[in-house]
Amino acid sequence: DAKTTQPNSMESNEEEPVHLPCNHSTISGTDYIHWYRQLPSQGPEYVIHGLTSNVNNRMASLAIAEDRKSSTLILHRATLRDAAVYYCIRGEETSGSRLTFGEGTQLTVNP
Amino acid sequence: DTGVSQNPRHKITKRGQNVTFRCDPISEHNRLYWYRQTLGQGPEFLTYFQNEAQLEKSRLLSDRFSAERPKGSFSTLEIQRTEQGDSAMYLCASSLDRLLQFFGPGTRLTVL
Repeated sequence: DAKTTQPNSMESNEEEPVHLPCNHSTISGTDYIHWYRQLPSQGPEYVIHGLTSNVNNRMASLAIAEDRKSSTLILHRATLRDAAVYYCIRGEETSGSRLTFGEGTQLTVNP
Repeated sequence: DTGVSQNPRHKITKRGQNVTFRCDPISEHNRLYWYRQTLGQGPEFLTYFQNEAQLEKSRLLSDRFSAERPKGSFSTLEIQRTEQGDSAMYLCASSLDRLLQFFGPGTRLTVL
C-alpha cells in the first residue's frame, strides 16, 4: 500500500513549468515526502525530499501543503530529458528503510 | 563512474535454473537495498542490509530467493529454481541514510 495518490499521466510543453501533484492524506507528523523519477531503461533517481517546509534544489522545488496532506513537485522549465515516471513516496518511520513506490505519474514533454 | 553498478545487465534463463546477480554499491555507503520491478509498476522492496547484516526482508522474498553481503561491500541476490513469474527488473540501491537512495541501472531477468 503506497499510501500516496498521483495522476497516472501528465503532459507538458518544453520550457514551460510543470506541477506534479501528490495526495498523502494519511501522512503522520514524522513521515518525509520523497520524490524520485525514473527515466526509460534506468533505475530510479532521487529528485527531492521534504518534511514540512518547501524545499528547493537544482532539479526541482517541492511545495508542501500546510496540513501536509498533499504536495506538489515543481519543474520550473521542463526539458525533453525530464520525460519520466515521477514517484511520490511517503518515508514512513515504521517501514524502516524501505521506499514504497506506487505507480507514479508518467510525464510526457512535448517539443 | 562512482555510482551503483549491477551485473549482469541482462539475463535470460530457462525455468528451473538458478541465477545470481551482483550489486556494487557506492563505496562509502553502508546501506544496501534490493527491489524488484515488473512492467508498468513501481519498484517493490525485497530486502535491506546495513553493512553485512540483513535487517529487513519483504514477504515477496520467498525461500527461493537469498541475498548476501558478506563483507559489507558488494551484494549478491540468488534466485533458485526460477519461475516465469520471476521475470522482472532487479534493482539495487545504496545509501548513507534512509532519506536518499542511489539506484543502479538494474538487471533485467527473463525466464523462458
